[in-house]
Amino acid sequence: GAVVSQHPSRVICKSGTSVKIECRSLDFQATTMFWYRQFPKKSLMLMATSNEGSKATYEQGVEKDKFLINHASLTLSTLTVTSAHPEDSSFYICSARDRQSNQPQHFGDGTRLSIL
Amino acid sequence: GQQLNQSPQSMFIQEGEDVSMNCTSSSIFNTWLWYKQDPGEGPVLLIALYKAGELTSNGRLTAQFGITRKDSFLNISASIPSDVGIYFCAGQLGLNYGGATNKLIFGTGTLLAVQP
Repeated sequence: GAVVSQHPSRVICKSGTSVKIECRSLDFQATTMFWYRQFPKKSLMLMATSNEGSKATYEQGVEKDKFLINHASLTLSTLTVTSAHPEDSSFYICSARDRQSNQPQHFGDGTRLSIL
Repeated sequence: GQQLNQSPQSMFIQEGEDVSMNCTSSSIFNTWLWYKQDPGEGPVLLIALYKAGELTSNGRLTAQFGITRKDSFLNISASIPSDVGIYFCAGQLGLNYGGATNKLIFGTGTLLAVQP
């Protein structure tokens, strides 16, 4: 079945560091990928829609300069949390949609980001 | 961001019992999805519903797409310990082809605990 790989699974770093998270579709091509943020015991909140070859579309209230998204190929989208601070600590999850299928989005296993 | 109302918030049941949870929205959706999320992992798709009134089963799980397109429910029959987790509904405006209408709006989640 369709697999979405997210890397790293966990990262701990100091305040002020920029952190890059990768989302790869392993056996399908994805013109659209989605980035979510999930706080403990809360639901998934869509941050942005990543579009291959064009700018990402950000949800209201999400700072585009803080959360940089790049979708340079049909199998890879990256989310960079710039100058991360403790309040950016969260579980970040990506999903991808197979452009040749009418199936729903496939989710990665998430990245636990902890900023000290 | 927008979220769907999901109830109950949590359920603590005995193994073998049946479970029912539902999701309501003030907006119409063309697709309803049900996911299960284990701790530290991404959501896994359980059932997808594409047509108002549709009733779909996946093993012990049954879900229905409300006739008004503003609600959906999920039933789990004869629960077992591995059913433990958080269940999320998600509404999607589109039908899985093209564009921003593939955005998912998630419900608030139902935590299910099953006692052996």
